[in-house]
Order: sequence, then C-alpha cells, then structure tokens
Amino acid sequence: NAGVMQNPRHLVRRRGQEARLRCSPMKGHSHVYWYRQLPEEGLKFMVYLQKENIIDESGMPKERFSAEFPKEGPSILRIQQVVRGDSAAYFCASSPPSRATSTDTQYFGPGTRLTVL
Amino acid sequence: KQEVTQIPAALSVPEGENLVLNCSFTDSAIYNLQWFRQDPGKGLTSLLLIQSSQREQTSGRLNASLDKSSGRSTLYIAASQPGDSATYLCAVRDSNYQLIWGAGTKLIIKP
Repeated sequence: NAGVMQNPRHLVRRRGQEARLRCSPMKGHSHVYWYRQLPEEGLKFMVYLQKENIIDESGMPKERFSAEFPKEGPSILRIQQVVRGDSAAYFCASSPPSRATSTDTQYFGPGTRLTVL
Repeated sequence: KQEVTQIPAALSVPEGENLVLNCSFTDSAIYNLQWFRQDPGKGLTSLLLIQSSQREQTSGRLNASLDKSSGRSTLYIAASQPGDSATYLCAVRDSNYQLIWGAGTKLIIKP
C-alpha cells in the first residue's frame, strides 16, 4: 500500500514562472491537505480539499496560489509568477474518506522543495 | 488563535542520555497532539499521537505525555542514539482538522 506521493521532490523555478506541485493521496483517501514550511520555521496550513471541492483555503495566500483535487488524478498546488519568498518545502497529507474526526491521522508525503532563483 | 511553542530550539547531548523535549500550546481545546520527526531534506515521520482524552503514549524508547489543562506536552527519549538526531516537531489538531505546528527542536546526539 503506497503512501502519499508527491512530485517532483525538488523543483527549481525562475522568478515569474509557474510551479505545479502534485500530490497523490494514499489509496482510498479522499481528503487532502497542503502545508508549507518556510526555512527554519514550522509548517503552516494552506488548504484542505476533498474530491472536487475546496473545503478550507484560509491558509492560502490571496494571490497567485490555487489548489485543486479533481475527480480523477492527483491534487495540484499551483503557484503562478513565483517569487523568491515562495521558496519552501510544500507538504501534502491525506486522510480517509470518513468524517474528519479527531481520530483521523493525516499521513504525510515526502514534500516538494521549491527553489525560486 | 492557537499557538504552539517548542523549547529548546536546539539540543545537543552525548549518546546514551535520556532527554525531554517540550511543547506548549495556548488553547487547551484540542482534539489531539502529535509528535513528528523530520530528517534533513526529508519528509515527516509520525512518532506518536495522543488523543485529547489520553495522558500519554509510548512507542519503544519514546514516551509522549499530554497535560491539556496546562497546555503542555513532553516527548521523552530514553537511551538516546546518534540515529535519533533529527528535528522533532509537535503539532496540535484544533477543533476542525488543521494541524498547528511548532517550529521544532533540532536534536543532535553525539557519538
């Protein structure tokens, strides 16, 4: 049973380019969460999605960032016109399709490390 | 607004010592608390999860305690080994589903 998969593991972009980060949840999981870890800081919640729905995007920057989790395929975190401050590790987590109760553990992927030159 | 603090930010001890990492949170209305390990450039490994109704959890040489009323958790590592060197992160789950994270304690175990 494969765990949460993220690709690419490392991504280098120049300022102004677009970054697309992919997350494939564990088999059978339909809840996806994205977190960002800036250098030397803890993780910060960005967005919570279920299949075809954004449940909570309160942690997403207002501009340039978007996320989706289509019916088929991985969840995508998209950053348009990247700036140096976007350089960070982006982690994806997934949890089972049951109601997101306190007993549901979030399982984390290995992360994508984005470097903006 | 929930805030999570981890002390110390860094810790270096000789191999074999027992040690304690601390995590504090400002709002006691949590669902659970989780300790993770992060190796440099790597992902996150979940170590222990304590539900709000529990006082502690144990796994091998690791023991985590939770005191909701005082907003504190400790991670106890017994007989430390060089392989324990990593950054240890504490995260609390709030009333919904968000994990609120501390900045971590960077642990170095000297051979």
